Formats: sequence, C-alpha cells, structure tokens
Amino acid sequence: AQSVSQHNHHVILSEAASLELGCNYSYGGTVNLFWYVQYPGQHLQLLLKYFSGDPLVKGIKGFEAEFIKSKFSFNLRKPSVQWSDTAEYFCAVLDFSGRKRSNTGKLIFGQGTTLQVKP
Amino acid sequence: DTAVSQTPKYLVTQMGNDKSIKCEQNLGHDTMYWYKQDSKKFLKIMFSYNNKELIINETVPNRFSPKSPDKAHLNLHINSLELGDSAVYFCASSQDQSNTEAFFGQGTRLTVV
Repeated sequence: AQSVSQHNHHVILSEAASLELGCNYSYGGTVNLFWYVQYPGQHLQLLLKYFSGDPLVKGIKGFEAEFIKSKFSFNLRKPSVQWSDTAEYFCAVLDFSGRKRSNTGKLIFGQGTTLQVKP
Repeated sequence: DTAVSQTPKYLVTQMGNDKSIKCEQNLGHDTMYWYKQDSKKFLKIMFSYNNKELIINETVPNRFSPKSPDKAHLNLHINSLELGDSAVYFCASSQDQSNTEAFFGQGTRLTVV
C-alpha cells in the first residue's frame, strides 16, 4: 500500500516569505495526489490535486504543487504567504491497492505540516 | 447550506459509555467515509460506504460500528468508549468510490474522560 511522508512538521514564516512544503509518496505507477488545508477549527478543504497532464498544478489561494515522478514528490509552494495561510497542510495519495474492487480509492494522508505565518 | 455536516461538534463522555456521531451530505454523492484524526493530527480512514454498502473497513476495533440508513447518511456508533478513542472524527463524501475528490465535514471532537 501507498504511504505518504511530509518532511516538515512545523514551519514558521514571516508574511511575504516563500513557502515550500515537502511531500513524498512511496511507490510509482499511476498516482493521484492531493494537498488539503485545515484552517484552525475548520474542516479539510482541497487546495489542489494532480491526476495527469501538466506536472505543475495550480490550486486555490495562490498555491501550486509540482509532481516530480522521478523523485516520488509532490511539493506544495506559494511565492508569498499571508497570515491567513496559517493552517495545517496535508498531502495525500489515492491508494487503489488491496481493494476487492479495483476502482475503490482510499486517501492515504501524510502526517501534516503546521504552518504558522507571523504578521 | 453545509455540504457535509456532522453532529455533534463536540462530545465529552465517560469511559464505558456508548455514543453516536451523525453525518449527512447534501451533495448527492454515492460514497461516504469516516476518518479519525489523532492527537498528533494524523488522519486515517476507518470506514467507507458506497450506496449503503460497506466497501472499506480498516483495522478498527469492533466497538466501532458504522451504519448507513441511506446514501446521504453515515453514522458512527461507538460502544464501551475508551480513553484512546479521544480524537477528532471526520466524515467525508465523494461522488463515487473512486474518491477523486473528497469533501469533509467539520469534525467531531470526542473526549473520553
């Protein structure tokens, strides 16, 4: 089964700094990748996703992520963060392995990264 | 209107009690999920139902029993609550079981004392 690793557990940045959060998944083949964000006290929201095509994916709120197949990575970036970006960020991969029905996808999440943006 | 709604938002209860968490989605989705987020914020899937049929059942104690009366509802019943059950439980739904985009509820923070 797939696994997801997020290298940065807690990141502290000042406003206007650039952001890059690392995400690696465990094995290759066709992958469906996601970044979710969880603002304090709120539900998870989808930032962006990659299924195929252009490996540079643009999401909401100025976020983007780059899928690099050779590195098994899907890092999240934002050129200039704002205080309102303070949140938990989760990388996830859709796992279809081990399912009785091969079209049943299970989201496997990384451990999450806490981003704190100082005003 | 909230797309995926869970009740209650907070639940504090004593060890040994039985409690339920309800989830409803108004998106017309076929598939619903329960996830557990532990104190380290690690999210793990527990169950998934597609059109009222159980399709994912991870290694979860059988004190946890999901019930889906119809495809818009997926409830989670927990018997004999233990301290280790304290967590945030998230309900989610997706169009179908391929789960290409999941929509999450606001979570239920369960505290067992």
